[in-house]
Amino acid sequence: DADVTQTPRNRITKTGKRIMLECSQTKGHDRMYWYRQDPGLGLRLIYYSFDVKDINKGEISDGYSVSRQAQAKFSLSLESAIPNQTALYFCATGRGGRASDEQFFGPGTRLTVL
Amino acid sequence: GENVEQHPSTLSVQEGDSAVIKCTYSDSASNYFPWYKQELGKRPQLIIDIRSNVGEKKDQRIAVTLNKTAKHFSLHITETQPEDSAVYFCAASTGANSKLTFGKGITLSVRP
Repeated sequence: DADVTQTPRNRITKTGKRIMLECSQTKGHDRMYWYRQDPGLGLRLIYYSFDVKDINKGEISDGYSVSRQAQAKFSLSLESAIPNQTALYFCATGRGGRASDEQFFGPGTRLTVL
Repeated sequence: GENVEQHPSTLSVQEGDSAVIKCTYSDSASNYFPWYKQELGKRPQLIIDIRSNVGEKKDQRIAVTLNKTAKHFSLHITETQPEDSAVYFCAASTGANSKLTFGKGITLSVRP
């Protein structure tokens, strides 16, 4: 089945380290998103991309950067990780267009910054 | 920008009873309202959605209603079952070329 995958699934790192979280999809969707989930705060959008040449900041982009290497790949980087970036990170994809706004989420990456 | 709020943050019901979860939104231009369910340790998944040109949509035991005047929409679950226990997120967007804004989520517990 077509799916959204994320690597790694769990990561523990130290303050100041550079971290990259990767997302791949076989759904053939143009749109890709990065969210973080914190208890009591819901899902907050970090960055999103509607195609390979389109990158947009979300509501909490400070401290993060992204790269859309191909239609199927969207990576999230923390240039210098800090403890308050400890969270569950989800990648999501979407077809886009008027007919469908559904987003399909990956399994998540649990990141701990010590 | 859009602000989506969910209250309360937790809801507990007896198995077989109905559950209603309400969300409010701030941007009157919003026209798409999905509900996502996240079971413990799993990814969020869409369970139902509604567009602003309809007032209600049903799918088996779940339904969503929309009140554009009051800017709120609600998820209704009838005959609740233990497998309905999860975190439910509402969201809103202003169209196909915009992003979703999620609420903070509500934890529904269905007591056997």
